[in-house]
Amino acid sequence: KAGVTQTPRYLIKTRGQQVTLSCSPISGHRSVSWYQQTPGQGLQFLFEYFSETQRNKGNFPGRFSGRQFSNSRSEMNVSTLELGDSALYLCASSLDSGPGELFFGEGSRLTVL
Amino acid sequence: AQTVTQSQPEMSVQEAETVTLSCTYDTSESDYYLFWYKQPPSRQMILVIRQEAYKQQNATENRFSVNFQKAAKSFSLKISDSQLGDAAMYFCAYRSAPGATNKLIFGTGTLLAVQP
Repeated sequence: KAGVTQTPRYLIKTRGQQVTLSCSPISGHRSVSWYQQTPGQGLQFLFEYFSETQRNKGNFPGRFSGRQFSNSRSEMNVSTLELGDSALYLCASSLDSGPGELFFGEGSRLTVL
Repeated sequence: AQTVTQSQPEMSVQEAETVTLSCTYDTSESDYYLFWYKQPPSRQMILVIRQEAYKQQNATENRFSVNFQKAAKSFSLKISDSQLGDAAMYFCAYRSAPGATNKLIFGTGTLLAVQP
């Protein structure tokens, strides 16, 4: 069974640009969550999608957005990039909420110059 | 708002020995889930063990066990017979039970080194 796939794995952007990251969940998983991981702030929840609907959102500015498609694949977009957006962006999928396991991808490492 | 605190930024253990990683949390909720995740260097995060707050019995997964003290809001992880492959960053995480959400609140992590 294929795991959570995130693309691209690494990317470099300059300030002011925008970026789109993709996440393909495990087959059958309908929930996709996104997290930002930085040395300074640690792991912070960005948002969660379930069956194409955003059902939870973290405390991030509106420059961060996401969506989920009918096949459960999800994308997140960051517009007007800032240096502080440099981070590892992790995607996690699960069947649904509850005590079930979240399966994480390897992440997309974004560097903003 | 819920918070998770890991007060040990780094820990070290000898191979085959036992180590305990600490985690405390703060919440006003009575029903929730707690997790320990492991993140090896440059590799994906994987679940080590989970605990449901309504269960009094401490969870155990092979060499990994937890000491869940609900009143004290403490959730420590014990790794027995430590192996070189246990070296990783360990994150304690909290998830609310009520409602539909997979939002995890993470601690800052404990970097575990295993000495041969």
